[in-house]
Amino acid sequence: GAVVSQHPSWVICKSGTSVKIECRSLDFQATTMFWYRQFPKQSLMLMATSNEGSKATYEQGVEKDKFLINHASLTLSTLTVTSAHPEDSSFYICSASVSGNTIYFGEGSWLTVV
Amino acid sequence: SQELEQSPQSLIVQEGKNLTINCTSSKTLYGLYWYKQKYGEGLIFLMMLQKGGEEKSHEKITAKLDEKKQQSSLHITASQPSHAGIYLCGADTGGGNKLTFGTGTQLKVEL
Repeated sequence: GAVVSQHPSWVICKSGTSVKIECRSLDFQATTMFWYRQFPKQSLMLMATSNEGSKATYEQGVEKDKFLINHASLTLSTLTVTSAHPEDSSFYICSASVSGNTIYFGEGSWLTVV
Repeated sequence: SQELEQSPQSLIVQEGKNLTINCTSSKTLYGLYWYKQKYGEGLIFLMMLQKGGEEKSHEKITAKLDEKKQQSSLHITASQPSHAGIYLCGADTGGGNKLTFGTGTQLKVEL
């Protein structure tokens, strides 16, 4: 069964609004989670590292004020896309590491901004 | 240059045939991960390799990591339609579970 769960699977929002995506580790604690973005027919691109209890670390070119990451507990990280625009429409997916360095991914979340 | 290169980009094989997908890193790897993805869905973990020369198998899929820990191959024996999908290799080059992904290989298995 899934060890990392994302919600929602699909979300449509109006341009200019904000939308939150959740990433949960199931039955294990994850001090670090990662957020990726995948555009159609492309590979995954790392956006940021979510650190429990501290600020997220963003990859070069990713706007931290636009993609807000909160990792308030050991089992939950959230990604909020603020003031979303159509170009933010994408597949967002998170990952977390289980002991032994096995990295599992969530089911992903499709964001469509209209 | 691309940090992680995956080849081929796409592959069509007949059911029952064997195939190999390659993944080459420009950096030494702390870990190399293989995943399978159906477009628009999550990644299914296949295997993780860490040691030089390591080889792992699960059902009809075998993955190897070379001695220098810069190249990995994924081999599928006697392919089936259920093997169809996108295969992604992910490289941990910093030791912190942060992965860089290859471009992916789209596999189609024809009856």
